[in-house]
Amino acid sequence: ETGVTQSPTHLIKTRGQQVTLRCSSQSGHNTVSWYQQALGQGPQFIFQYYREEENGRGNFPPRFSGLQFPNYSSELNVNALELDDSALYLCASSLGRGGFYEQYFGPGTRLTVT
Amino acid sequence: AQSVTQPDIHITVSEGASLELRCNYSYGATPYLFWYVQSPGQGLQLLLKYFSGDTLVQGIKGFEAEFKRSQSSFNLRKPSVHWSDAAEYFCAVGGSYNTDKLIFGTGTRLQVFP
Repeated sequence: ETGVTQSPTHLIKTRGQQVTLRCSSQSGHNTVSWYQQALGQGPQFIFQYYREEENGRGNFPPRFSGLQFPNYSSELNVNALELDDSALYLCASSLGRGGFYEQYFGPGTRLTVT
Repeated sequence: AQSVTQPDIHITVSEGASLELRCNYSYGATPYLFWYVQSPGQGLQLLLKYFSGDTLVQGIKGFEAEFKRSQSSFNLRKPSVHWSDAAEYFCAVGGSYNTDKLIFGTGTRLQVFP
C-alpha cells in the first residue's frame, strides 16, 4: 500500500510568483487536508477537501486555493507569493472527514520564497 | 478559542531515562487529542490518540498518554527513552464531526544523550 506522496520535495520561487504543490492520497482515502508549517512552528490548517469539495478552511487568504481530483489526489495553489509563505507544506489524507478518522501525512514540500 | 500549548520547547534526556512531554489544550467540547512525532525531513507520524473511554491510552513505540479533563492536559510519557526517539513531538486537538481540522501546538524538540 502506497502512502501519501507529495511533489516536488523542494521548491524555490520569487516573491509575486505562483506555485502549485501536489499530493497523492493514500489508496482508499477520499479526504485531503493541507497544512503550512513555518520554521519552528506547529502545522497550521489551510483547508480540507472531501470528495472534490472544500470542507473547511483555516485562516488563510484567498490566494491560497486548492483542488481535489476524481482520484482524490489534490493540488495546493498559492498566488502572489510573499516571503512569509516560505514553509513546509504538508498534505494529509484520511478515510473520511471528521476528527475520528486518522490523518496520514506526506513528507511535505519545502517552499522557499526569495 | 481552541488552542494547544506545549510549554517545553526543548527537552534533553539521557538514554534509558523516563520522559514526560506536557500538553495543555483549550477546547469548547470534548476534544479528540493526538500526539504526533516528526523526524528531520519527515512528515508527521501518529503516536497515539484519545477519543473517549479509558483516559490512559497506549501508542506505538512504547509511548502512552493520559487525558486529564480537570487539568485540560494530555501528557505524553515513555518509561525508557531510546536514542531513536530524538525528534520533534506535536500535540494536537480536533473534534468536529464534519471536519478533521487539527490544531497543533508549537512542538517540543527531544534530544537524547547516550
